[in-house]
Amino acid sequence: KNQVEQSPQSLIILEGKNCTLQCNYTVSPFSNLRWYKQDTGRGPVSLTIMTFSENTKSNGRYTATLDADTKQSSLHITASQLSDSASYICVVSAKAGTALIFGKGTTLSVSS
Amino acid sequence: NAGVTQTPKFRILKIGQSMTLQCTQDMNHNYMYWYRQDPGMGLKLIYYSVGAGITDKGEVPNGYNVSRSTTEDFPLRLELAAPSQTSVYFCASTHRSAGGHEQYFGPGTRLTVT
Repeated sequence: KNQVEQSPQSLIILEGKNCTLQCNYTVSPFSNLRWYKQDTGRGPVSLTIMTFSENTKSNGRYTATLDADTKQSSLHITASQLSDSASYICVVSAKAGTALIFGKGTTLSVSS
Repeated sequence: NAGVTQTPKFRILKIGQSMTLQCTQDMNHNYMYWYRQDPGMGLKLIYYSVGAGITDKGEVPNGYNVSRSTTEDFPLRLELAAPSQTSVYFCASTHRSAGGHEQYFGPGTRLTVT
């Protein structure tokens, strides 16, 4: 069964600190993996999209890594800001079609 | 360029009532999608459309209907609302298939059925 598991479920960090969110997937055949940021009461917004051949991609203070062999991805946030408080969702595409498998998300709270 | 817009933002329905959730995109995207997001759960695909006049079921289509008469609009219809349909509904669009392309989401409609 195609699944996307994220950990931790929630995380609290102090402003300025770094953190890493994890994503494990069992989706096959794999097409691409993306990370979304979802602010409370808003729709998800894409941070990065990585294909099989890419093992790292950055978007400002956000850096995503992908290990297609172990089927794991991580999202590293550097020098966190209060505005980083949100849910971060890992999404895997099973093939180059319409099928997207969403993780349940990690809720990040950044406090001052 | 407004992107993907959804109306209403909030709605409370009584069991058995019907309503239509509106979704419009101004990016000339061919593909449009409806998802629902339940608390603590990942988004689930309800219906999708690959172009005007073409729609297909997603993972959780029961209790919903859609139509796609224009490229811009993709309304979602609930005919007999049930408490199990209490959720947040997101509309999304992509230029081509979601599997290979950036997917843009609307702000969501929060629906409560009591």
